[in-house]
Amino acid sequence: QKEVEQDPGPLSVPEGAIVSLNCTYSNSAFQYFMWYRQYSRKGPELLMYTYSSGNKEDGRFTAQVDKSSKYISLFIRDSQPSDSATYLCAMKDADSWGKLQFGAGTQVVVTP
Amino acid sequence: KAGVTQTPRYLIKTRGQQVTLSCSPISGHRSVSWYQQTPGQGLQFLFEYFSETQRNKGNFPGRFSGRQFSNSRSEMNVSTLELGDSALYLCASSLEGGRQETQYFGPGTRLLVL
Repeated sequence: QKEVEQDPGPLSVPEGAIVSLNCTYSNSAFQYFMWYRQYSRKGPELLMYTYSSGNKEDGRFTAQVDKSSKYISLFIRDSQPSDSATYLCAMKDADSWGKLQFGAGTQVVVTP
Repeated sequence: KAGVTQTPRYLIKTRGQQVTLSCSPISGHRSVSWYQQTPGQGLQFLFEYFSETQRNKGNFPGRFSGRQFSNSRSEMNVSTLELGDSALYLCASSLEGGRQETQYFGPGTRLLVL
């Protein structure tokens, strides 16, 4: 079993809809959680970073962490075709220098 | 501030050859991590360097090695290339690689092994 599970999709939504993405993890040592967006043939771009349970909002993006359930989510409101990309969740424990553990990534397609 | 840069962007090699990839971190960042991204395995951690020392290492064979220079620039080397080494190699930098720090990725080097 992988430490971080993420449905690879693809997830297809109409423009303007809410995109809902999630990851589950098994390692309770993970304390820091990130969401990255990766366009085709590009490097991952940091979208959201959080280290506590609860919600964090930034513009159209909301990140949610539930440490008791080992479950994190990312919501994208008012989705645009430019949001079409692969979204990767990443996690880090407190003692591992410079190492992020990634989910498989979910491919999102927003159709006009 | 300039982002993480990686050179070259594309590379084609044949089996058995070796390759060296280069990464320049964001100015002021001293931690550099390397990852391999493939369709089958996703993003996997190779190693991390800080202050010219390898502090952390993933589960890759000894053919994969790296180093860091005093200006924080880093290189990774893959010797005796195999077909399965074809991948996007990404480097990421952060201030010191500490627990609460986020990592910023470069565009990657796409390696094709024939």
